[in-house]
Amino acid sequence: DGGITQSPKYLFRKEGQNVTLSCEQNLNHDAMYWYRQDPGQGLRLIYYSQIVNDFQKGDIAEGYSVSREKKESFPLTVTSAQKNPTAFYLCASSIAGVFYGYTFGSGTRLTVV
Amino acid sequence: GENVEQHPSTLSVQEGDSAVIKCTYSDSASNYFPWYKQELGKRPQLIIDIRSNVGEKKDQRIAVTLNKTAKHFSLHITETQPEDSAVYFCAASTGTASKLTFGTGTRLQVTL
Repeated sequence: DGGITQSPKYLFRKEGQNVTLSCEQNLNHDAMYWYRQDPGQGLRLIYYSQIVNDFQKGDIAEGYSVSREKKESFPLTVTSAQKNPTAFYLCASSIAGVFYGYTFGSGTRLTVV
Repeated sequence: GENVEQHPSTLSVQEGDSAVIKCTYSDSASNYFPWYKQELGKRPQLIIDIRSNVGEKKDQRIAVTLNKTAKHFSLHITETQPEDSAVYFCAASTGTASKLTFGTGTRLQVTL
């Protein structure tokens, strides 16, 4: 999938559960990002990481957590504190230095049941 | 922080006509402006981008223009085809931030 893989493609969460979305890239990109996509609201930044073991909150970080223990991996946990988690989640990566934009993963659609 | 507004939210054109999508940004330090195309259920794909030292860039039927003074940039698609139907997102970034702020998207429908 173009060097950045998200899994699973579909995920169902029960009320009160934490779930983790996987994002792996083999592009040797330093920076990785998580966006949430809702109809009519575009893509909103949840968290991003520019180097291993460091990450920053985006615009809508509440109810989410991340880790960046390896350059290739940037998993996103949707916690029970996120009251409206149903959405399409996109992971992206980019080269550090001169910015050339993102390569996106194919996304995970999360639904609360 | 950066704020990007995008208009229109939906756009319907006949095949062969031109389509124009406009975006404005708030941070005068922004210097990179990409456009992404997202087909239904797929990932966004970069179709064209422009940096603040350039006023216009063209790639076949697609062009982007940038007006730094007014802080707006536009996507122009000429000779539209049914396969151009998709949602288009503009975005802006400052080089130091290396993160993109996206507009809310434009759903383009090209009718036969």
